[in-house]
Amino acid sequence: DTAVSQTPKYLVTQMGNDKSIKCEQNLGHDTMYWYKQDSKKFLKIMFSYNNKELIINETVPNRFSPKSPDKAHLNLHINSLELGDSAVYFCASSQSGASGNTIYFGEGSWLTVV
Amino acid sequence: AQSVTQLGSHVSVSEGALVLLRCNYSSSVPPYLFWYVQYPNQGLQLLLKYTTGATLVKGINGFEAEFKKSETSFHLTKPSAHMSDAAEYFCAVSVAGANNLFFGTGTRLTVIP
Repeated sequence: DTAVSQTPKYLVTQMGNDKSIKCEQNLGHDTMYWYKQDSKKFLKIMFSYNNKELIINETVPNRFSPKSPDKAHLNLHINSLELGDSAVYFCASSQSGASGNTIYFGEGSWLTVV
Repeated sequence: AQSVTQLGSHVSVSEGALVLLRCNYSSSVPPYLFWYVQYPNQGLQLLLKYTTGATLVKGINGFEAEFKKSETSFHLTKPSAHMSDAAEYFCAVSVAGANNLFFGTGTRLTVIP
């Protein structure tokens, strides 16, 4: 079973569209994340949720809206997509409170905006 | 705040040769240090991590890293490169109580037959 699964893996869409990426983890973790990897492979956190509550919200356009219906799910909705949103989006999870808690990543969602 | 610097965006080694990927960190408090590997079109997989205790950490696939506080380094090594090691490698840092990882810019490892 995949520990952190996200769908879709590949997404090609036009500018101005709205799209969502779904993420689920079956590790029993209480913290979930969205990271963005740009074309130069740089990884940066976008959002972090702990027990469904937003705890990290980096400088991200408000066109990006995460939603966590429960501890096991963290979805990412993007409105009015722009060319610059093209990137790989990684969902991840970890268990808070553990020393040096490992963050487990999903396989990524490759978003291309045309 | 924490940060990591990975020296060398591309490293090429011959198959069977030593692999050395460099990582230096900056942190005002004791760091937790990680190495992740990303194969083409895949997610990130944890290779190894240092939290406390033994400074030489062994990971999967024959990789190891040594935490050197005096040098603020956490370099990744493998005695003998294999073709399957070709991938992107990321060093990352965190600290106690943090819910985030700060990543370096990555090093692409190429293994030459």
